[in-house]
Amino acid sequence: GAGVSQTPSNKVTEKGKYVELRCDPISGHTALYWYRQSLGQGPEFLIYFQGTGAADDSGLPNDRFFAVRPEGSVSTLKIQRTERGDSAVYLCASSFSGVQETQYFGPGTRLLVL
Amino acid sequence: SQQGEEDPQALSIQEGENATMNCSYKTSINNLQWYRQNSGRGLVHLILIRSNEREKHSGRLRVTLDTSKKSSSLLITASRAADTASYFCATEPNTGANSKLTFGKGITLSVRP
Repeated sequence: GAGVSQTPSNKVTEKGKYVELRCDPISGHTALYWYRQSLGQGPEFLIYFQGTGAADDSGLPNDRFFAVRPEGSVSTLKIQRTERGDSAVYLCASSFSGVQETQYFGPGTRLLVL
Repeated sequence: SQQGEEDPQALSIQEGENATMNCSYKTSINNLQWYRQNSGRGLVHLILIRSNEREKHSGRLRVTLDTSKKSSSLLITASRAADTASYFCATEPNTGANSKLTFGKGITLSVRP
């Protein structure tokens, strides 16, 4: 596909469960970003990958959140022991090389923790 | 934390009118980007303006950047009902190789037919 894709589109889970959110970036893009957007707010940065490595994970709120990008393409955001406050839209973006590049966003995954 | 502050928070105009939205930020930047979002889902990139640029155009969009005032404006000319959306400014910091974006809270634009 031409754009960034994310699966699932929607995820409903129960408090305490584990969830995985997937992001397929634009082919050839080395930089990949995860953001989280709460209702009525702008997206907030979570983590940035350059290739396979996390260049900046300062936005992850706590150690329940973890992300991987093992082959430098697809990335998975993992949330353990979900809490109701984790409910938000999780957005993934990619750019060709990182600095001074346009970031292209996927449609997001809407996570609802009951 | 959110660096960008958009102004106004909400804007309602008649189709055909121009819409002007403003953004202020706090720290030194590499560039500033404007995005549009419909229905709280994916963001659509509109325009990127670098710190050494003062004005850029793209179709009906005009963006200005004043780094001395740490502010930017987005002008949409001859607005259409389809322009109804939320608009966000986002800044890339001037801190070496980190390209994470910091977004404002957004402006809700309503264009009445």
